[in-house]
Amino acid sequence: DAGVIQSPRHEVTEMGQEVTLRCKPISGHNSLFWYRQTMMRGLELLIYFNNNVPIDDSGMPEDRFSAKMPNASFSTLKIQPSEPRDSAVYFCASTQSGALATISGNTIYFGEGSWLTVV
Amino acid sequence: GEDVEQSLFLSVREGDSSVINCTYTDSSSTYLYWYKQEPGAGLQLLTYIFSNMDMKQDQRLTVLLNKKDKHLSLRIADTQTGDSAIYFCAESIGGSYIPTFGRGTSLIVHP
Repeated sequence: DAGVIQSPRHEVTEMGQEVTLRCKPISGHNSLFWYRQTMMRGLELLIYFNNNVPIDDSGMPEDRFSAKMPNASFSTLKIQPSEPRDSAVYFCASTQSGALATISGNTIYFGEGSWLTVV
Repeated sequence: GEDVEQSLFLSVREGDSSVINCTYTDSSSTYLYWYKQEPGAGLQLLTYIFSNMDMKQDQRLTVLLNKKDKHLSLRIADTQTGDSAIYFCAESIGGSYIPTFGRGTSLIVHP
């Protein structure tokens, strides 16, 4: 089975440019998460969606960050304009929430990450 | 303080046992997890334990849960160089599927 698929795997961009990160969750999962990982802050939850609806975006650092989930199989995280301090690994993750999730322990499955460097 | 705390580094010799510790604050935690992150990769679930269990064993991995002290540990027997990675402890509370992660413990296995 395909896991969570993220693209691009690596991106180097100049300050001020727009960055779009993409994610395809595991088929059948109804919850999707965007995380950011840095040495300084560890793993931070930026936003999560349930049934394509954003539930909590309190972790989004600034208005420069936005996320969308137009359908159950696709989500984007956009940074515009990008800044050097946005350099990090961005992970997308998905899970199946609800009664069935309880059986599997509410396990969250992560993608391989998008490694972003803003210079 | 943070909800889930772990030490940042652990160094062990190949063949020895590794014990990675974690403390959490929420007594209503339902599930506790250990995730492994290898260099350049995402987090992969290693194992999880229900809060009504004290211990779970899976091959070389043993998870111990002390609910009274809110302490979770992961023991890796016969540690190999391939076990070198960052290990994340996480908890989730019944009714919520959003885990809270610790900062991760970097396990370094040397010959």
